[in-house]
Amino acid sequence: TQLLEQSPQFLSIQEGENLTVYCNSSSVFSSLQWYRQEPGEGPVLLVTVVTGGEVKKLKRLTFQFGDARKDSSLHITAAQPGDTGLYLCAGVLKTGTYKYIFGTGTRLKVLA
Amino acid sequence: KAGVTQTPRYLIKTRGQQVTLSCSPISGHRSVSWYQQTPGQGLQFLFEYFSETQRNKGNFPGRFSGRQFSNSRSEMNVSTLELGDSALYLCASSLYGTLDNEQFFGPGTRLTVL
Repeated sequence: TQLLEQSPQFLSIQEGENLTVYCNSSSVFSSLQWYRQEPGEGPVLLVTVVTGGEVKKLKRLTFQFGDARKDSSLHITAAQPGDTGLYLCAGVLKTGTYKYIFGTGTRLKVLA
Repeated sequence: KAGVTQTPRYLIKTRGQQVTLSCSPISGHRSVSWYQQTPGQGLQFLFEYFSETQRNKGNFPGRFSGRQFSNSRSEMNVSTLELGDSALYLCASSLYGTLDNEQFFGPGTRLTVL
């Protein structure tokens, strides 16, 4: 059972376009993180969101945590080829012990 | 500051063999977590070690085991390899653990089981 579903799974867009990636769950997460992974490398943390409704901006990237802390979105404005990569959301589930769960991933390709 | 290092980067084994992967965390980090990444299942948590003790464990069979040394370096062992164990194995280090702490990932070890 995949607890964190990401959509879309694949995305190919032209440079300059905007896009939104979604991360959804039926479970409540105490925090949620977004990573970007490039081929041959490990994931690199982009942002952590903790509070329901929180919005964080990182240059052209805007991250939002849902009010109920069950979902999140990543919006990229004016995408560039350097944004190409695998985007992963990940969350901490606290149920007695804690589990760190990764989303299914969104593979983004930005064409020049 | 040196990042997380993993050795070897690539490994080819045959079914039934065992393998040991190594991870050196960022200096000062006491937590090391291991993950398996496959195209079909994505990134899945294997286990976390903190101060030489396994603190958390994912849903993997007992063939997957690990340990952490006093210098925080960690090893992961997979015994009786199966074809389905072919994957990218990632380790991540953090100061105190995955809970609310930033994790830094290594480049991974790509294991191929023939």
